[in-house]
Amino acid sequence: GENVEQHPSTLSVQEGDSAVIKCTYSDSASNYFPWYKQELGKRPQLIIDIRSNVGEKKDQRIAVTLNKTAKHFSLHITETQPEDSAVYFCAARGRFSGSARQLTFGSGTQLTVLP
Amino acid sequence: DADVTQTPRNRITKTGKRIMLECSQTKGHDRMYWYRQDPGLGLRLIYYSFDVKDINKGEISDGYSVSRQAQAKFSLSLESAIPNQTALYFCATSDGEGTAPYEQYFGPGTRLTVT
Repeated sequence: GENVEQHPSTLSVQEGDSAVIKCTYSDSASNYFPWYKQELGKRPQLIIDIRSNVGEKKDQRIAVTLNKTAKHFSLHITETQPEDSAVYFCAARGRFSGSARQLTFGSGTQLTVLP
Repeated sequence: DADVTQTPRNRITKTGKRIMLECSQTKGHDRMYWYRQDPGLGLRLIYYSFDVKDINKGEISDGYSVSRQAQAKFSLSLESAIPNQTALYFCATSDGEGTAPYEQYFGPGTRLTVT
């Protein structure tokens, strides 16, 4: 099955700086890569996603890049703000059992934006 | 997102007890999921269901069972709870078709403690 590794596990940046979180995946057939933000005590919420036929996607201050050859994808947050502080999870939709596909999540990155 | 609800939100139970966690959704989605979240391990899939008659095991199904009572309801049971099942449990739904077939919407979570 799919295996997703996420780095770093913790990341501290100064307000206004950029933050980058990286994930690698193992299943070359994975076709969908979402990023979720989870604030303390809250549910995970989708912030951006990308499909395997796209190399980059941007939504205001956040962007995701995908390198299918290297099997890695990254989340980029520019001009960070204190409200960006949260745990971020990457995921990959790969083969799970037989022909079924499911999301496999990374272990999470605790992002802290320092004022 | 009030469209996916979970009950109870918090539960403390003793080893050996049977416990049921319930999930309801008003999004009209066919696909429903149960995940477990542990610190440093991300979200791991327990069971998933693509419709009322379709139930599938996830990555960590041992010690758990599920019931899909209706399109909108998906319950998770621990037949005989043990302390290492102490975790945060999330229900999620997805459409499976349309413009965002893979996007998963999470419930608020149930914090379960087994003593």
